[in-house]
Amino acid sequence: DIQMTQSPSSLSASVGDRITITCRASQSISMYLNWYQQKLGRAPKLLIYAASSLHAGVPSRFSGSGSGTDFILTISSLQPEDFATYYCHQSLRAPWTFGQGTKVEI
Amino acid sequence: EVQLVESGGGLVRPGGSLRLSCAASGFTFSNYWMGWVRQGPGKGLEWVANIKPDETEKYYVESVRGRFTISRDNAKDSLSLEMNSLRSEDTAVYYCARVAWRSGYHMDVWGKGTTVTVSS
Repeated sequence: DIQMTQSPSSLSASVGDRITITCRASQSISMYLNWYQQKLGRAPKLLIYAASSLHAGVPSRFSGSGSGTDFILTISSLQPEDFATYYCHQSLRAPWTFGQGTKVEI
Repeated sequence: EVQLVESGGGLVRPGGSLRLSCAASGFTFSNYWMGWVRQGPGKGLEWVANIKPDETEKYYVESVRGRFTISRDNAKDSLSLEMNSLRSEDTAVYYCARVAWRSGYHMDVWGKGTTVTVSS
């Protein structure tokens, strides 16, 4: 199975900050990497697919980069509604796997 | 509006069975792969299973293979997850998700989830 490792597991930030979350795959997954946002008690929402493509309706302050084994999610200017947990997800092959999540707190 | 609505969750004893359903609307259900993802209490997301539009391909996470069965009814725009031999570790919120393809597979629409509790 492909293991996905996110770092950090949590981070504290302020409104307006630029933050980055890293996701590393245990083997190359090309660009089959997606990012989701989940708020407490809610279903996940797709932010970025194929490593760097912004899902419809997602604000442009979110961006993704990387390929192979190393990927980054960047929020350029953190907004109050961005405080949530973020997950990376590989869809190269089954079993699909997620990172353990990164909780972004105030 | 594109929507997925799960149902069928509840409290079940270890070793018991439960069938989850997901009603789809607002899109052509028969064109899409579909999947289930779960989240245990206080835990992260875990992919459970996927099914191809024509049901010719099904994939499962190892921990549920042989106990869970994913199926669909394209005439009724419905996805199901039959869960047998349930264990305490299957306790989770189960989400139904639409699988889209554009430069790779991703889950672009999610239901709100249904809660399964396995306990005696």
